[in-house]
Amino acid sequence: KNEVEQSPQNLTAQEGEFITINCSYSVGISALHWLQQHPGGGIVSLFMLSSGKKKHGRLIATINIQEKHSSLHITASHPRDSAVYICAVRSGNQFYFGTGTSLTVIP
Amino acid sequence: DTAVSQTPKYLVTQMGNDKSIKCEQNLGHDTMYWYKQDSKKFLKIMFSYNNKELIINETVPNRFSPKSPDKAHLNLHINSLELGDSAVYFCASSRRQGIMNTEAFFGQGTRLTVV
Repeated sequence: KNEVEQSPQNLTAQEGEFITINCSYSVGISALHWLQQHPGGGIVSLFMLSSGKKKHGRLIATINIQEKHSSLHITASHPRDSAVYICAVRSGNQFYFGTGTSLTVIP
Repeated sequence: DTAVSQTPKYLVTQMGNDKSIKCEQNLGHDTMYWYKQDSKKFLKIMFSYNNKELIINETVPNRFSPKSPDKAHLNLHINSLELGDSAVYFCASSRRQGIMNTEAFFGQGTRLTVV
């Protein structure tokens, strides 16, 4: 069993829809990261969270430390949001990664 | 002004060859990492260095050897390449601040194809 589980694995949405991607983890963490991997392969760090909620443009990330759960929300989704979204947690100097959620936003 | 840069971006090579992937960060971070992303997009840590010292060494074949000449560089050398080594390799760095949280920065990845 992976230390980090994401759901769903694949997600297709119509442009404009509100999207939620979930992440659950089983280890003690000091931080949780949401990463975006574009079709070309490059990885961009979207958020780093240790508590509460962060917002950047149309992206919102929340974390519940007690429940060991985080969500990434995308409001008013757009085709350029199509990518793989990866949840990663930091435990000490170790990072554990989820297998990613492949998002396709259709115009 | 790239924070974490990897070279080359693409590498195609024959089985049995020895190759190196270079990574440099200009962020002044103390800790650098190498990750392997397999065909299922799963990222696995391979090595972690802090101030040129190896601190994480996951179970990888000893054909893989990291080299850190200084804390801004962490190169990955692979001997006797095998077909199963084909993957995308990511370098990353983070600032070590004791118990404080820190953001990780990733390179763009190196797509290695062994033929």
